[in-house]
Amino acid sequence: DMKVTQMPRYLIKRMGENVLLECGQDMSHETMYWYRQDPGLGLQLIYISYDVDSNSEGDIPKGYRVSRKKREHFSLILDSAKTNQTSVYFCASSPGRNYAEQFFGPGTRLTVL
Amino acid sequence: GDSVTQTEGQVALSEEDFLTIHCNYSASGYPALFWYVQYPGEGPQFLFRASRDKEKGSSRGFEATYDKGTTSFHLRKASVQESDSAVYYCALGITGNTGKLIFGLGTTLQVQP
Repeated sequence: DMKVTQMPRYLIKRMGENVLLECGQDMSHETMYWYRQDPGLGLQLIYISYDVDSNSEGDIPKGYRVSRKKREHFSLILDSAKTNQTSVYFCASSPGRNYAEQFFGPGTRLTVL
Repeated sequence: GDSVTQTEGQVALSEEDFLTIHCNYSASGYPALFWYVQYPGEGPQFLFRASRDKEKGSSRGFEATYDKGTTSFHLRKASVQESDSAVYYCALGITGNTGKLIFGLGTTLQVQP
């Protein structure tokens, strides 16, 4: 069953706390992504990973970092979370690059108080 | 720079109405064009793509034709159902084999029974 999973689905943190969002996929896809989705702003790319330890900044990487030590797992880390990082975060994976579809996870709703 | 514009922020229709959601793009070369659909509480799902002029993409009764002359990829469906209520995103695959997509801001479709 082709699937992208995200954990946790909901998370509440206080400003200044560290946040770890986890993503997994069972399709052996090389390329994985982290997006955030905010009302009126659509989907914004935070980071893209082309394979293990091969990560590239997206359009809004400031305040985030990522880790990919296994092809099937891709983590998003917020060191010292800020209130403006409250958002819904989506992970996606893709078997290729430009012409390949992206498979999205169900999202993590993060609230930073 | 590359960009995608969805004209309608919201569309309200009745069942069996004809749907058009307008998508125009700005990009160099021949970018791939995509449509994604997002149901409440879920991540976006790939609908279909097209990658060359005059190519038609289609899925689940939805279709769109890549038109390089008018730089458009408008989504159409002949007869919508209440279950089609969702947010629809047009997206552009940036050339250069980066794997990055630029998403439009989305169009919320509400279909009344």
